[in-house]
Amino acid sequence: ELKVEQNPLFLSMQEGKNYTIYCNYSTTSDRLYWYRQDPGKSLESLFVLLSNGAVKQEGRLMASLDTKARLSTLHITAAVHDLSATYFCAGLFQGGSEKLVFGKGTKLTVNP
Amino acid sequence: GAGVSQTPSNKVTEKGKYVELRCDPISGHTALYWYRQSLGQGPEFLIYFQGTGAADDSGLPNDRFFAVRPEGSVSTLKIQRTERGDSAVYLCASSLSGDPQETQYFGPGTRLLVL
Repeated sequence: ELKVEQNPLFLSMQEGKNYTIYCNYSTTSDRLYWYRQDPGKSLESLFVLLSNGAVKQEGRLMASLDTKARLSTLHITAAVHDLSATYFCAGLFQGGSEKLVFGKGTKLTVNP
Repeated sequence: GAGVSQTPSNKVTEKGKYVELRCDPISGHTALYWYRQSLGQGPEFLIYFQGTGAADDSGLPNDRFFAVRPEGSVSTLKIQRTERGDSAVYLCASSLSGDPQETQYFGPGTRLLVL
């Protein structure tokens, strides 16, 4: 059974600083997804990582995937207040279904 | 274009009542998913439709939960004899064909509160 763990679960950082959110998963999952959720809102897709070594960047966010280590990271560069949200990673369950298995999320607060 | 829509946005019901939650996926998307998100948690998978058929319903918690997608577009999640523990946000997502390379697009969710 695929399990996905994120850390930290809560992250408070200053504007302008860098930080990394980690996502570990327990069994084979060649696909890793990152979503953003603002309070009271639904999930917005950020990145779809499809293969080992995949790296994707959008603005101040960069995501990477290491399937051998079963690890994905979401790196935040020079954080700004608008990045405050909850970030979820999700692995794709491999068993004939396309269901996503989500971590508990990392609540990021960027302080001015 | 229009995204995934869900109705109602909020639903308050009493314990023991029956509720229906509706999902309208992005036009042309054949894959549709239901997830449930409890406060402070990530979404948990409930059921996946490919076209009209339920390809995977392994996430439905018990037989009080049922979902249909009779014409391969709109889907309805039905909950019988609701319990307080059913209170959560029910999220619907769709993707073009269910291929893992595709993004699942999520709707705004229905917030269900069982009193």
